[in-house]
Amino acid sequence: DTEVTQTPKHLVMGMTNKKSLKCEQHMGHRAMYWYKQKAKKPPELMFVYSYEKLSINESVPSRFSPECPNSSLLNLHLHALQPEDSALYLCASSPGQGASYEQYFGPGTRLTVT
Amino acid sequence: EDQVTQSPEALRLQEGESSSLNCSYTVSGLRGLFWYRQDPGKGPEFLFTLYSAGEEKEKERLKATLTKKESFLHITAPKPEDSATYLCAVQASGGSYIPTFGRGTSLIVHP
Repeated sequence: DTEVTQTPKHLVMGMTNKKSLKCEQHMGHRAMYWYKQKAKKPPELMFVYSYEKLSINESVPSRFSPECPNSSLLNLHLHALQPEDSALYLCASSPGQGASYEQYFGPGTRLTVT
Repeated sequence: EDQVTQSPEALRLQEGESSSLNCSYTVSGLRGLFWYRQDPGKGPEFLFTLYSAGEEKEKERLKATLTKKESFLHITAPKPEDSATYLCAVQASGGSYIPTFGRGTSLIVHP
């Protein structure tokens, strides 16, 4: 099973709302990633977890808060977002971080901030 | 700084018209080069990993090749279902090992 699942598929939220994105994988991968992707642009790395510990934070605003409850789950908590945060949010996993591993991406959550 | 440049930005082909997509890169040391396919509104789908110059990999109508400075994704006799954006990502030796993505090539195959 090479599937990464993400919920919800679509999310519309106001600038004062608090919501969470969820990601799950059962491939035994030890690295998990959050990316943000705008239309016609490549994925932009936000966070990396390696062995359930945050290893990379690409200077993401604090209104985005990641969490890795266990080796299979990854959450992204959202609070006080801005309209420019509207994008496709992608979760990915790989067997590890420190080697030439391919990434497996989920289908994404389409986020609209109103 | 690692750089990945994909060309062309967009490509329109007729069904059956073979062509190639290019990914040129500048990294201090290549650890791996990845090709992904992305359909609109969906996550990228892994296609190939290439590790060293001279390596080739094939999958159905797609063939990926690698030199010391670039990679090509050859599409033979494409079909409309091959329409997608093709992303190249390069992982450099050392540092965080996080792949750097190119901006992609948008391919449309007309029936």
